[in-house]
Amino acid sequence: GQNIDQPTEMTATEGAIVQINCTYQTSGFNGLFWYQQHAGEAPTFLSYNVLDGLEEKGRFSSFLSRSKGYSYLLLKELQMKDSASYLCAVRSSGGSYIPTFGRGTSLIVHP
Amino acid sequence: DSGVTQTPKHLITATGQRVTLRCSPRSGDLSVYWYQQSLDQGLQFLIQYYNGEERAKGNILERFSAQQFPDLHSELNLSSLELGDSALYFCASSVEERIGDIQYFGAGTRLSVL
Repeated sequence: GQNIDQPTEMTATEGAIVQINCTYQTSGFNGLFWYQQHAGEAPTFLSYNVLDGLEEKGRFSSFLSRSKGYSYLLLKELQMKDSASYLCAVRSSGGSYIPTFGRGTSLIVHP
Repeated sequence: DSGVTQTPKHLITATGQRVTLRCSPRSGDLSVYWYQQSLDQGLQFLIQYYNGEERAKGNILERFSAQQFPDLHSELNLSSLELGDSALYFCASSVEERIGDIQYFGAGTRLSVL
């Protein structure tokens, strides 16, 4: 099976930088996803990492270390609209292409 | 807009009833996935269809069933509804089963069982 851990909630200030961590344990690894989900809305794809290192996409960056079973999502120049839940999802090897989602980290950005 | 269409947006019904949720995938996507999300649970995978065939099953109850039609739209049928079935139901679609395949989610159907 898989185990995915994320902090339940984080708070940050508008304009600041925040790092949301995700640790996972899985039998085999075939990629890690980050999604953003505003309350009551659909999860929106942010990033995909399958190799170690940092992927940068505008204000958002995602990092992966496969040996440590660790990823983080870095959000820069925080805006109020970034207040949302951030879901980490891991796809394991072994035939299934279904990613397992973590419980999500609720980020609250305040002025 | 992800390109995945779900109807209806909201559904209110009573215990014991049966409902059908509908999903149209993005143009060109062959895989459809159904998820349930309730307040005390994360996003729970229910079932996947690929080009009309059932491909994978998750934590789907026997009271629930789904199918994917030749035009690739999918329906999730929920029967003998219970209060605990109240949740957001999401459909996602992707192109094909391969490493790097990205799931895109519809806006969801909010089901309230009273």
